[in-house]
Amino acid sequence: EAGVVQSPRYKIIEKKQPVAFWCNPISGHNTLYWYRQNLGQGPELLIRYENEEAVDDSQLPKDRFSAERLKGVDSTLKIQPAELGDSAVYLCASSPASGSVADTQYFGPGTRLTVL
Amino acid sequence: AQSVTQLGSHVSVSEGALVLLRCNYSSSVPPYLFWYVQYPNQGLQLLLKYTSAATLVKGINGFEAEFKKSETSFHLTKPSAHMSDAAEYFCAVRISGGYQKVTFGTGTKLQVIP
Repeated sequence: EAGVVQSPRYKIIEKKQPVAFWCNPISGHNTLYWYRQNLGQGPELLIRYENEEAVDDSQLPKDRFSAERLKGVDSTLKIQPAELGDSAVYLCASSPASGSVADTQYFGPGTRLTVL
Repeated sequence: AQSVTQLGSHVSVSEGALVLLRCNYSSSVPPYLFWYVQYPNQGLQLLLKYTSAATLVKGINGFEAEFKKSETSFHLTKPSAHMSDAAEYFCAVRISGGYQKVTFGTGTKLQVIP
């Protein structure tokens, strides 16, 4: 079974430029998460999707961040414009369902963003 | 609000020695607790989870953790460290019942000395 796929793995951009990250979850997983992991910290949730609906985006900085999950499968996270403080690893995770005891999240390898 | 505290951002053990990574949680309601491992340049992988069944939870790669309500702890242990255990370990908590987001600790980097 293929795991969560993310691309690109690394991205270096100048500040004020736009950037986009792509995630393909495990087949059949309805729930998709985007996390940001700053250096030396644990992941912090940015947004959670149930199928194509964003059901928890309270931690997403909406002035510059946007996300979509078309057709409830792949997802894209965008930053426009990027700031120096956005340098981090962006992790995508998926799970078969949320709110259940079996709510195990499966993580992709992440995209390491460096903003210069 | 829920939270976890991981004591020690770096832990070093000799190969073959006991591994003990500490995690204390704070939750106003019964929690679910998780340990994840992250190898360099990889995503997080679930080691084990506590979901209110047995208090001693066994996970992959020989790791186990014990839920102690009186101490609000969920420490991760392994009797004998292998070189391949060198990684970063994250404790996480989520409130039981319905959907609640998972809150991660700041992580503990485990170094295994040959």
